[in-house]
Amino acid sequence: EAGVAQSPRYKIIEKRQSVAFWCNPISGHATLYWYQQILGQGPKLLIQFQNNGVVDDSQLPKDRFSAERLKGVDSTLKIQPAKLEDSAVYLCASRSILALGNEQFFGPGTRLTVL
Amino acid sequence: SQQGEEDPQALSIQEGENATMNCSYKTSINNLQWYRQNSGRGLVHLILIRSNEREKHSGRLRVTLDTSKKSSSLLITASRAADTASYFCATVQNFAGGTSYGKLTFGQGTILTVHP
Repeated sequence: EAGVAQSPRYKIIEKRQSVAFWCNPISGHATLYWYQQILGQGPKLLIQFQNNGVVDDSQLPKDRFSAERLKGVDSTLKIQPAKLEDSAVYLCASRSILALGNEQFFGPGTRLTVL
Repeated sequence: SQQGEEDPQALSIQEGENATMNCSYKTSINNLQWYRQNSGRGLVHLILIRSNEREKHSGRLRVTLDTSKKSSSLLITASRAADTASYFCATVQNFAGGTSYGKLTFGQGTILTVHP
């Protein structure tokens, strides 16, 4: 089965610019997650979708970050405007609602560098 | 906030040796999972242990869980150079009624280097 797809793989922008990341989860996975992973740290959950509804966005900096999952499939994460501290790898993951233990499947990530 | 704390932060061993990594967490959990991350394959799920289990095996992996101490350990036996990666523990918390919304909270990770 195809894995979680993300694009772009790398992005370099200047501070105050905008950027968007795209994620296509594994087919049939209703739950989708966006994580931020700063160098040297573990991933931190930004937002969780169940189909096209938001389940948890408590750690999403809503003044600059936004995410949507139209039609309950693909998702985009946007940062506007970017700050230096947003430099990180942004990981998308998906999970089947049939997964009792919450095993998540991760995409390759988008490495963002803010100059 | 980071729920799990891994120990050690870095571990360097020779091929064939065993590697043990520890994880401590703070709140009641539904289950605990271990993930591996390397540049080639990204973040990959290794093994899951539920709060009512004490030990679990998968190939060369052995995971233990002590809920009274809020700690877990991952043992990799007969390590290989290909095991070189960062290893993360991640917890899924219990909510009221014993249900879980499935949110993973990761630790800082242990960097394992296996020398050929």
